[in-house]
Amino acid sequence: KQEVTQIPAALSVPEGENLVLNCSFTDSAIYNLQWFRQDPGKGLTSLLLIQSSQREQTSGRLNASLDKSSGRSTLYIAASQPGDSATYLCAGLPFTSGTYKYIFGTGTRLKVLA
Amino acid sequence: DAEITQSPRHKITETGRQVTLACHQTWNHNNMFWYRQDLGHGLRLIHYSYGVQDTNKGEVSDGYSVSRSNTEDLPLTLESAASSQTSVYFCASSDPGPVDTGELFFGEGSRLTVL
Repeated sequence: KQEVTQIPAALSVPEGENLVLNCSFTDSAIYNLQWFRQDPGKGLTSLLLIQSSQREQTSGRLNASLDKSSGRSTLYIAASQPGDSATYLCAGLPFTSGTYKYIFGTGTRLKVLA
Repeated sequence: DAEITQSPRHKITETGRQVTLACHQTWNHNNMFWYRQDLGHGLRLIHYSYGVQDTNKGEVSDGYSVSRSNTEDLPLTLESAASSQTSVYFCASSDPGPVDTGELFFGEGSRLTVL
């Protein structure tokens, strides 16, 4: 059974730091990978999508990469701000097919201190 | 802008009652999903649909049902609510599959409390 691990589970950093969130899959055969942000009491907001033909995506201060040989993804946040405080979840779409069901990690709770 | 709307956003009900949570998307996506989110368990898939008249069970489907009579809506029904079904429920939809982006979009969630 495919499982997703996100490390660390929680992280507290001072404002301005660059940080890396990690996500790994037990089965490296991932077709798409998506990173989400979730604020307390809210839904999941899509941040970045790495499609099958891609290795990384960038949006503003965020950069996500996927190493398909190892099944590991990282989300890099540059110059962190208090507004970045949220839970970040990764989700992978396995190659096993005919399925469009993403598998989710349990998230990293990030707190950026002013 | 296209979106997914869930209703109600908050509901309190009693054990044994039937409850229906609505999900409506204007993306014109064929794929729709219902998840529940609980502390310590993350997001767990309840039911999903790949098109009209298609429904499938996810990993935690017992006590839940869905129907898909059109592209836009996938209502989730709890036939006889139990306290173990107290949770936050999320509806999501995606493009038809790898031919398009496959990106997954979520609604704002429905918080259900069963007393």
